[in-house]
Amino acid sequence: DTGVSQDPRHKITKRGQNVTFRCDPISEHNRLYWYRQTLGQGPEFLTYFQNEAQLEKSRLLSDRFSAERPKGSFSTLEIQRTEQGDSAMYLCASSLAAGSGNTIYFGEGSWLTVV
Amino acid sequence: DQQVKQNSPSLSVQEGRISILNCDYTNSMFDYFLWYKKYPAEGPTFLISISSIKDKNEDGRFTVFLNKSAKHLSLHIVPSQPGDSAVYFCAASDMTTDSWGKLQFGAGTQVVVTP
Repeated sequence: DTGVSQDPRHKITKRGQNVTFRCDPISEHNRLYWYRQTLGQGPEFLTYFQNEAQLEKSRLLSDRFSAERPKGSFSTLEIQRTEQGDSAMYLCASSLAAGSGNTIYFGEGSWLTVV
Repeated sequence: DQQVKQNSPSLSVQEGRISILNCDYTNSMFDYFLWYKKYPAEGPTFLISISSIKDKNEDGRFTVFLNKSAKHLSLHIVPSQPGDSAVYFCAASDMTTDSWGKLQFGAGTQVVVTP
């Protein structure tokens, strides 16, 4: 399978614990994005990378969130001191850089439940 | 603020008939639009896209129409099939280098195709 891959698919954690999600993009894609989706809403942009550089972070991304993409390949999204409001599906997506017809492909998502 | 709006949260259509999903946007900088289909607990699956230089794009049973002056687009599915039952998201982006891939999503329309 050469699509966007995310791990783990589901995570249940206690409030205050740290969690980390991993994303492996489509291999030739130099852009990688993180989105968050809550029930009844569309996905919301969190941050994105071009190769290893993190180019933008949404104001939705509090200081407890950090994302990395070492060597411009896979990416991790870490949430420290989780809160119940962090419960959501975290989606990773990848694409080539800007250009007509370069679409954005999403992974299966990682469900986070904070109890 | 919600820059992409899908005002119909749900749509029920009979198998074999046409499904028409609508989407409105407010940001005139948007010049690329995408439709995604999403099943529960899965990531969004890309369906079809259109750039602002076109007013129509067709792919099999799916056709997207863009009316730039009205800031409105629609997705037509003909004929509708039971497997089309899912949530459909409209998304928009602009193709300037920095903003490419930062998608703004609507809240989605739940489509149910009945026999």
